[in-house]
Amino acid sequence: KQEVTQIPAALSVPEGENLVLNCSFTDSAIYNLQWFRQDPGKGLTSLLLIQSSQREQTSGRLNASLDKSSGRSTLYIAASQPGDSATYLCGQSLEYGNKLVFGAGTILRVKS
Amino acid sequence: DTGVSQDPRHKITKRGQNVTFRCDPISEHNRLYWYRQTLGQGPEFLTYFQNEAQLEKSRLLSDRFSAERPKGSFSTLEIQRTEQGDSAMYLCASSLAFASSYEQYFGPGTRLTVT
Repeated sequence: KQEVTQIPAALSVPEGENLVLNCSFTDSAIYNLQWFRQDPGKGLTSLLLIQSSQREQTSGRLNASLDKSSGRSTLYIAASQPGDSATYLCGQSLEYGNKLVFGAGTILRVKS
Repeated sequence: DTGVSQDPRHKITKRGQNVTFRCDPISEHNRLYWYRQTLGQGPEFLTYFQNEAQLEKSRLLSDRFSAERPKGSFSTLEIQRTEQGDSAMYLCASSLAFASSYEQYFGPGTRLTVT
């Protein structure tokens, strides 16, 4: 069964700290992996997408990596800010254009 | 580009009533997905379309649920005889088939409360 797990479930850090969020998946036949941000009561905002042929993607202060052999992806956030406070979700797709299977998310709080 | 839109944003209904939600995808996107999200969990896949064809349905999509995309543009999700367990956020997403990444873009969601 395809499963996605995110650790930690919640994280609280002071402003300015660098942090890493983890996403593990059981099925290594990955097509792509997307990282999303979700603010309370809102929809999902796409942050980064990594295709199976890639090892990492970067956007501003965000860097996502993918290790298919270990079944892991990490989202690195540099110099965190209070505006980064949100729930971060990862979703794995096994086939092109197919459904995403999500983890339960990591709730991030950045304290000013 | 106005993004994915959903209507209504909130719906409160009594148990046993029928409800219908609408999703308008990004205009050139031909794949459309429905997900359901309950508090503290990630979204769970319900169904998806390519153009007007429904390509996959989750076992979560019981007989009370039906989804359509009649002209390959907007989609509707209907829940008949609602139950309290149907209370959730219903999310719609779209993507462009045959693009290399199939990146999914989500709408703001419809929050359903069944009383």
